[in-house]
Formats: sequence, C-alpha cells, structure tokens
Amino acid sequence: EVQLVESGGVVVQPGGSLRLSCAASGFTFDDYTMHWVRQAPGKGLEWVSLISWDGGSTYYADSVKGRFTISRDNSKNSLYLQMNSLRTEDTALYYCAKDDGYSYGWGIDYWGQGTLVTVSS
Amino acid sequence: DIQMTQSPSSLSASVGDRVTITCRASQSISSYLNWYQQKPGKAPKLLIYAASSLQSGVPSRFSGSGSGTDFTLTISSLQPEDFATYYCQQSYRTITFGQGTRLEIK
Repeated sequence: EVQLVESGGVVVQPGGSLRLSCAASGFTFDDYTMHWVRQAPGKGLEWVSLISWDGGSTYYADSVKGRFTISRDNSKNSLYLQMNSLRTEDTALYYCAKDDGYSYGWGIDYWGQGTLVTVSS
Repeated sequence: DIQMTQSPSSLSASVGDRVTITCRASQSISSYLNWYQQKPGKAPKLLIYAASSLQSGVPSRFSGSGSGTDFTLTISSLQPEDFATYYCQQSYRTITFGQGTRLEIK
C-alpha cells in the first residue's frame, strides 16, 4: 500500500523558514517523480514543485520560485521542501504527492494527508 | 503560464442527473489534461488522465473528452458519493490546476 506521510508544518512568522518532509513507502520511490501541491484554507489546489526520480530535474511554480527548494533522498525514501522568505500567502495545507508515471506530462495518483503551514505574525 | 478555466464554478444537481463540467486552457495542451475529485477534508483523487483515460478503480459513469483547448468531464448518472469538488489539471507546461467546480446536491 502506498503511503505518503508529511511532517514539519508549524506556525512561522513572515520572512521565516521551514523544511517540510515526506516519508514514502509501499512503492519503489526512486522510480517516480514526486510533487508538492498546496491548498490554502477554503481555496483550490495549487501545484508548487516537482522533482524527477533522480533529482536531476526540478520545476517550480512562479509564486515560489527563488524561495522554495525541492529535494529528495532516495536512500531514505524521503522528499523535502525547503521554504524560505515565507509570506502570509504561503499559508496552506501542503501535500506530498506521487506522480502516476503514465499521464501525458505529469499526473498524481497518490497524495499524503497534508501538513499545515501557517505564516502569521 | 497556461491558465485553466473551469465552468461552471458551482453546480447543483440531483441523483441520477447527467452532469458535464468544462475546462478550457489558455493555449493548446494537446491531451495533457487530468481530472480529480476532492471531497471535504480529503486529498484529491485522480479520475481521468490523458483527457479521456479512466483511472483504475474509477466507476465507468465518469468519462472525459477533448483535446487542444477544450475539455469536458461527464458523470452519466450522479450518485450520492459524487457530490464533491472537481479540478482539471494541465501538464503540457509544468502543472496548473483549474479553480475547481463544486458539485452540490439540489
């Protein structure tokens, strides 16, 4: 059974930093692209970033480019999101998600339960 | 960036109804289009990938069509468990989600 368990969400002040982690199990982690997707309270889904199976390619939404860094450690079956220069508009539930590997481009077939990041003074 | 616009933003329907949700891309995305269902307090669920392919385990009352800029998600006969929010998602250039369509019980 595929499991994705996020951690690291807390309340942080504007301008602060935070690192989210995601522990993956139930599939061959280093075979798949992985994603971070966020959802502000009561709002829609916003894709944040993706990283290829080997970490060689990364992409970011314009809203986080230059502030967030995605990374992975395949030896630990773990995905990370380093978040710097946080803004109030970064407040959201952050989902770790697994690429399905068969959509045209990218698609997501498994999601974690999410970890809540609140940026507030 | 490619913008995805869904219509309607919300929809009221009854059990047994046929429902269609539309998603329009700001430029051609071929068939790089997926559909998701999200229920309150839950993570999204992949329904349709590559515009018209049904994800494993998803009931056949769900179907997708379209290519280029215009896409539709159709539910042929609404069931009580289908009341949820639906999102389209393009991956022609990175990833963008539509704003969502909330499907409510009439």
